Amino acid sequence: AQKITQTQPGMFVQEKEAVTLDCTYDTSDPSYGLFWYKQPSSGEMIFLIYQGSYDQQNATEGRYSLNFQKARKSANLVISASQLGDSAMYFCAMREDNQGGKLIFGQGTELSVKP
Amino acid sequence: NAGVTQTPKFRILKIGQSMTLQCTQDMNHNYMYWYRQDPGMGLKLIYYSVGAGITDKGEVPNGYNVSRSTTEDFPLRLELAAPSQTSVYFCASSSGSGGVEKLFFGSGTQLSVL
Repeated sequence: AQKITQTQPGMFVQEKEAVTLDCTYDTSDPSYGLFWYKQPSSGEMIFLIYQGSYDQQNATEGRYSLNFQKARKSANLVISASQLGDSAMYFCAMREDNQGGKLIFGQGTELSVKP
Repeated sequence: NAGVTQTPKFRILKIGQSMTLQCTQDMNHNYMYWYRQDPGMGLKLIYYSVGAGITDKGEVPNGYNVSRSTTEDFPLRLELAAPSQTSVYFCASSSGSGGVEKLFFGSGTQLSVL
């Protein structure tokens, strides 16, 4: 069964506007971590943000914030003040701590920022 | 800092050939992973390891083998290469210490099986 789901294959956003990329997950493990990665056209994987299942507050890293809704099992990435350089693939990932560190990725969302 | 080093960067194989993708990390990380990424798709977990001598299957292990004899190295072996194994392969590592963790990636290996 798919454990990480990104339902938006592609998204467009106007430069300087905010955008939300959706991610839902499924786990029965009470201890898990959620990650977001950016993959530009160069192919490298760039870490953006991390949220632990026991963290009380939503994670933030600069223009990136993670809207963590534990009961809904969602971990949406919010990018504020979009820049042209934000155009890339974005992947959500989950690590289930009681699965020996197994870390799986969602299908990804391609974000295009329009000038 | 070298981080995670993968070799080779590119390789073309003929159907039925075998090869080993090398992965080395110098961060003393416990956890290491191999992923494949098909064009326009996400990363699929092939195998992972939580420490030397310990490996486990991921989502798509068929056609691959791994070993972890040292903390630093985690090679991926392809036996009897098939066109379906044409993909970009990423090795990654993390400390496995919990808390705020990053998964560090290598630069990838572009493999074509013809």
